[in-house]
Amino acid sequence: DIQMTQSPSSLSASVGDRVTITCRASQNIRRDLNWYQQKPGEAPKVLIYAASTLQSGVPSRFSGSGSGTDFTLTISSLQPEDFATYFCQQSHSTLTFGGGTKVEIK
Amino acid sequence: QVQLVQSGAEVKKPGASVRLSCKTSGYTFSGYAVHWVRQAPGQRLEWMAWIHPGIGNTQYSQKFKGRLTTTRDTSATTVYMDLTSLRSEDTAVYYCARMVGAVTDYFDKWGQGTLVTVSS
Repeated sequence: DIQMTQSPSSLSASVGDRVTITCRASQNIRRDLNWYQQKPGEAPKVLIYAASTLQSGVPSRFSGSGSGTDFTLTISSLQPEDFATYFCQQSHSTLTFGGGTKVEIK
Repeated sequence: QVQLVQSGAEVKKPGASVRLSCKTSGYTFSGYAVHWVRQAPGQRLEWMAWIHPGIGNTQYSQKFKGRLTTTRDTSATTVYMDLTSLRSEDTAVYYCARMVGAVTDYFDKWGQGTLVTVSS
């Protein structure tokens, strides 16, 4: 199976900060990479699919980039509702997920 | 609107079996694959299986082969997951999720999750 490595595993940031999360695949997955947000006690919610396409209804402060093995999720200006855990998921072959990045309030 | 509503929490003893359900609504049931994904405490999400309700095709993670079965009831627009020979490591929140995608496959809708606790 393709291994997905996310970094950092957690970060502290303030409202208004620019936040960047990275995800690395153990092999080339082209652009078959999705990003989700999960809040405690809730199901995940898709933010970005196909590496850089914003899901309908998701604020434009979220963006994704990358291809091949290295991918990035960026939150341009962190809002109070963005404190959550973010994880990547590849759909190039048998589905696997990253370990998650918990974004906490500084 | 598209909804996936899962059955309630379960507490099981080691060696027992559990059946979870995922009632779908708001879309053409036969048109989209439904997947099962679980999240054990402190662990990453783990893909388990999918079923295509239209044709009944299934695929399972090697990790669960022989213990896991997913089925569907088209008249009830409901997908089921049966997991047997439960052990403590199966304690997790289990999600069903609908997969969509043209460019790439992704989960656009998830159930609310079902906590399964395996304990003696």
